Amino acid sequence: GENVEQHPSTLSVQEGDSAVIKCTYSDSASNYFPWYKQELGKRPQLIIDIRSNVGEKKDQRIAVTLNKTAKHFSLHITETQPEDSAVYFCAASGRGGADGLTFGKGTHLIIQP
Amino acid sequence: GAGVSQTPSNKVTEKGKYVELRCDPISGHTALYWYRQSLGQGPEFLIYFQGTGAADDSGLPNDRFFAVRPEGSVSTLKIQRTERGDSAVYLCASSSAGTDTQYFGPGTRLTVL
Repeated sequence: GENVEQHPSTLSVQEGDSAVIKCTYSDSASNYFPWYKQELGKRPQLIIDIRSNVGEKKDQRIAVTLNKTAKHFSLHITETQPEDSAVYFCAASGRGGADGLTFGKGTHLIIQP
Repeated sequence: GAGVSQTPSNKVTEKGKYVELRCDPISGHTALYWYRQSLGQGPEFLIYFQGTGAADDSGLPNDRFFAVRPEGSVSTLKIQRTERGDSAVYLCASSSAGTDTQYFGPGTRLTVL
């Protein structure tokens, strides 16, 4: 089955700086890669996703890049703000999302004022 | 509109007891997913329904776990002979036909004493 590795487990950045979180996946058939943000005690919320026919996607301060050959994808957050502090999870799915997601272990992002 | 809802929000039970966890998906969503999230981990896929049928139950850990969705809307996750290791947050998600995005509910925190 699919295996998703996520790094780093904790990331501390100064407010205003950029943050990058990286994930690798094992199943070359995976074709859908969402990123979720989860605040303490809350539900995971989708912040951005990418499909395998696209190499990069942006939404304001957030971007995701995908390298299918290397089987890795990354989340980029620019101009970080205190409200970006949370745990971020990457995930992969094999059938365009009509399938259970396999999640990474999460990255605890801390924005230092 | 209303999001995914789950009841109860918290459930405390004793080892060996039976529990039922309920999920109400977003109205009209045909796909429903159950995940389990242990402390400090990413959600772990359990089972996926497309309509009334379980399309993929490969994530259920053993035969103590069972889920139903008799009318293609509300789903119930049933756990028999609960064990302390079953303690976790049980998350439900739903998605609409032909789309990838999974919307999560707030979860049920299950504690087995």
